[in-house]
Amino acid sequence: GAVVSQHPSRVICKSGTSVKIECRSLDFQATTMFWYRQFPKQSLMLMATSNEGSKATYEQGVEKDKFLINHASLTLSTLTVTSAHPEDSSFYICSARDGRTGGSQPQHFGDGTRLSIL
Amino acid sequence: KQEVTQIPAALSVPEGENLVLNCSFTDSAIYNLQWFRQDPGKGLTSLLLIQSSQREQTSGRLNASLDKSSGRSTLYIAASQPGDSATYLCAVDTNAGKSTFGDGTTLTVKP
Repeated sequence: GAVVSQHPSRVICKSGTSVKIECRSLDFQATTMFWYRQFPKQSLMLMATSNEGSKATYEQGVEKDKFLINHASLTLSTLTVTSAHPEDSSFYICSARDGRTGGSQPQHFGDGTRLSIL
Repeated sequence: KQEVTQIPAALSVPEGENLVLNCSFTDSAIYNLQWFRQDPGKGLTSLLLIQSSQREQTSGRLNASLDKSSGRSTLYIAASQPGDSATYLCAVDTNAGKSTFGDGTTLTVKP
């Protein structure tokens, strides 16, 4: 079945560091990928929609300059948390949908990245 | 704006019991509804996907139903096992392709 690979699975770094998270669709083309954030004991909140070859669409309240998204190919989207601070510590999850078959297909999720900023 | 509610927030049952998890949504104009399982500190595992035109889907001991007009879905788990312990999330897809998630139901199945 479709697989989405997310890397790294865990990051611990100092405040002020920029962190890049990769999301890859391994066996299908993903024209659209989604980035979610999950706080402890809360559900997933959509941060942005990543569109291949164009700018990402951010949800209200999400800082574009803080969370940089690049979707350079049909199989790769990256999320960069710039100058991360402790309040950015969270669980980040990406998902992708097979663009060839449209919205009737389910979203496939990566395993998530646990980001801890000291 | 779509809102998704899951009841109960937590559920504890003895092994072998059948159980039902509930999901309700405010906007019935959905594309599909998906049930996920999430283990602590892990990502999401898709369990069942129901298209807007469908009424139910089954996979093994799991059965998910969808009543779009009333804005409800249920996930039925038969003969529960300790390995079923996890948080179960429902997510509603709009035509824009975005998913709105409920807060989840944390299930504990006691041996």
